[in-house]
Amino acid sequence: EDQVTQSPEALRLQEGESSSLNCSYTVSGLRGLFWYRQDPGKGPEFLFTLYSAGEEKEKERLKATLTKKESFLHITAPKPEDSATYLCAVQAASGGSYIPTFGRGTSLIVHP
Amino acid sequence: DADVTQTPRNRITKTGKRIMLECSQTKGHDRMYWYRQDPGLGLRLIYYSFDVKDINKGEISDGYSVSRQAQAKFSLSLESAIPNQTALYFCATSDTGLAGGYEQYFGPGTRLTVT
Repeated sequence: EDQVTQSPEALRLQEGESSSLNCSYTVSGLRGLFWYRQDPGKGPEFLFTLYSAGEEKEKERLKATLTKKESFLHITAPKPEDSATYLCAVQAASGGSYIPTFGRGTSLIVHP
Repeated sequence: DADVTQTPRNRITKTGKRIMLECSQTKGHDRMYWYRQDPGLGLRLIYYSFDVKDINKGEISDGYSVSRQAQAKFSLSLESAIPNQTALYFCATSDTGLAGGYEQYFGPGTRLTVT
């Protein structure tokens, strides 16, 4: 069974204090790992897809990396507007349906 | 205009009532999904559809039904609403890429309260 565990559950940072969010996964062959951002009461918004170990993608202050067992979302010099819940999801290569499995998310609060 | 829309955005209903949540998309995607989100439990898949003639149950389909009226429309029904169906409901779409994974695009959500 595919599993996704995100840590920490909640993270409080001061503006400018860089940190990383973790997504550990167990899957029978990885087809894709996804990061989403979700603001309170809104739908998740797609950020990145990573396909293979060693791959990295960046967008503004966010950088996502991938190994064979986990992915990190690095936040460099965060601003209050980066406050949100960050969701990780994995899509297995086997099984045929390719339905993604979501983690429970990391709630990030950045204080000014 | 939003690519994935949901109606209504908020709904309060009483126990035992039948209600329908609607989802429309303009992304041209074949795959559509219904999720519910509860605090501390994350996103849980209710139903998904890979094309108009394909409907599949997710991990928590009991008490729900769906209809795929067209490629762009996917509706979720609660036949007899109960209080523990109070949650935030999301519709999502995705492409059917042959290579690699394909990300999902979510609607704005429907906040449903069953009293």
